[in-house]
Amino acid sequence: DIQLTQSPSFLSASVGDRVTITCRATQGISSKLAWFQQKPGKAPKLLIYVASALQSGVPSRFSGSGSGTEFTLTIGSLQPEDFATYYCQQVNSYPRTFGQGTKVEMK
Amino acid sequence: EVQLVESGGGLVQPGGSLRLSCAASGFTLSSYDMHWVRQDTVKSLEWVSGIDTTGDTYYADSVKGRFTISREKAKNSLYLQMNSLRGEDTAVYFCVRGRNLNDCWGQGTLVTVSS
Repeated sequence: DIQLTQSPSFLSASVGDRVTITCRATQGISSKLAWFQQKPGKAPKLLIYVASALQSGVPSRFSGSGSGTEFTLTIGSLQPEDFATYYCQQVNSYPRTFGQGTKVEMK
Repeated sequence: EVQLVESGGGLVQPGGSLRLSCAASGFTLSSYDMHWVRQDTVKSLEWVSGIDTTGDTYYADSVKGRFTISREKAKNSLYLQMNSLRGEDTAVYFCVRGRNLNDCWGQGTLVTVSS
């Protein structure tokens, strides 16, 4: 099975900061990676698919990059509504797997 | 409006069974790969099972042999039959649409396995 490791697990940041989250896969998954945002009590929301494509309706401050085994999610300028937990997911093969999550908290 | 609505969660004793349902609206469910994903209070998200457009099914090792995914075209619905339930199956279960693009999630239904 493909394992995904996110770093960091927790991140303290301020409004306006540039934030970068990394997701590493134990084997190559081409560009078959998605990023989700989740707020307490809500279902995850798709932000990025196939590593770098912005889902419709998602603000352009969110961007994704990478291929193979290393991927990043960048929030260009953190907004108050962006404090949440972020997950990566590989859709290259079954079983599908998720990273352990990165919680972005207010500094 | 594209929407997924889960139902069927509840409290069940260890060793018991439960059947989750997911009703789709705004799209034809059988035209998409569909999945069940769960999340407990401590761990991350865990993919549980999937069914593709051809009807092929896939399972996480943790549920293989105990859970069965299926769909019913007439009702535009997805199901998860869960047997031999264990405490570690306690979680919120989400119904999810898509193959490379999991763009639609239900609100989730809580399954609690406890005596």
